[in-house]
Amino acid sequence: DAKTTQPTSMDCAEGRAANLPCNHSTISGNEYVYWYRQIHSQGPQYIIHGLKNNETNEMASLIITEDRKSSTLILPHATLRDTAVYYCIVGARGGTSYGKLTFGQGTILTVHP
Amino acid sequence: GAVVSQHPSWVICKSGTSVKIECRSLDFQATTMFWYRQFPKQSLMLMATSNEGSKATYEQGVEKDKFLINHASLTLSTLTVTSAHPEDSSFYICSAFDRVGSPLHFGNGTRLTVT
Repeated sequence: DAKTTQPTSMDCAEGRAANLPCNHSTISGNEYVYWYRQIHSQGPQYIIHGLKNNETNEMASLIITEDRKSSTLILPHATLRDTAVYYCIVGARGGTSYGKLTFGQGTILTVHP
Repeated sequence: GAVVSQHPSWVICKSGTSVKIECRSLDFQATTMFWYRQFPKQSLMLMATSNEGSKATYEQGVEKDKFLINHASLTLSTLTVTSAHPEDSSFYICSAFDRVGSPLHFGNGTRLTVT
């Protein structure tokens, strides 16, 4: 079973911020939070990851709560091309399970004009 | 950035035939690659871990004799679906990391249709 829960779908207006929540209440101390997205009929695309501090890159920001039981992915200015399924995944950054990601159902984000 | 390439991007084959899918790391060496499968309207499921120079390890429920994996070099892993049947029709995706601690990079997938 996936170790995260996400809303099934969300809508966002073009140009506005998209805030995608994720619950991971059973996260272990050495597990990171990873976000990927999958545009229809393509492989998943890495977005961002973090351990406990907030992170920002050219694609998005990741806000992790202090207790690490939940996080939010923020796309600051959503565009139509951001319409995709967004996956929140927790996993170790090393060890025997490294790379063996458990994908949940993700959140279908629809950005509309 | 690290690029993982798959070939072909789609393939149609007849039931009973075998199909080979290639996964290449273009600008890095990958001692380990991962094969995932995604059925329509479902999420990705890990099938197996491909290890360069040794046998692949398969997830529970995945038939190793049906899904043959070969990782003969540090930049190439192949997945062969043997005696394919319509229920094997799926989206097959490979992935790899370019260094320990880096996120997984995924290929663009191969859509297999068995008629």
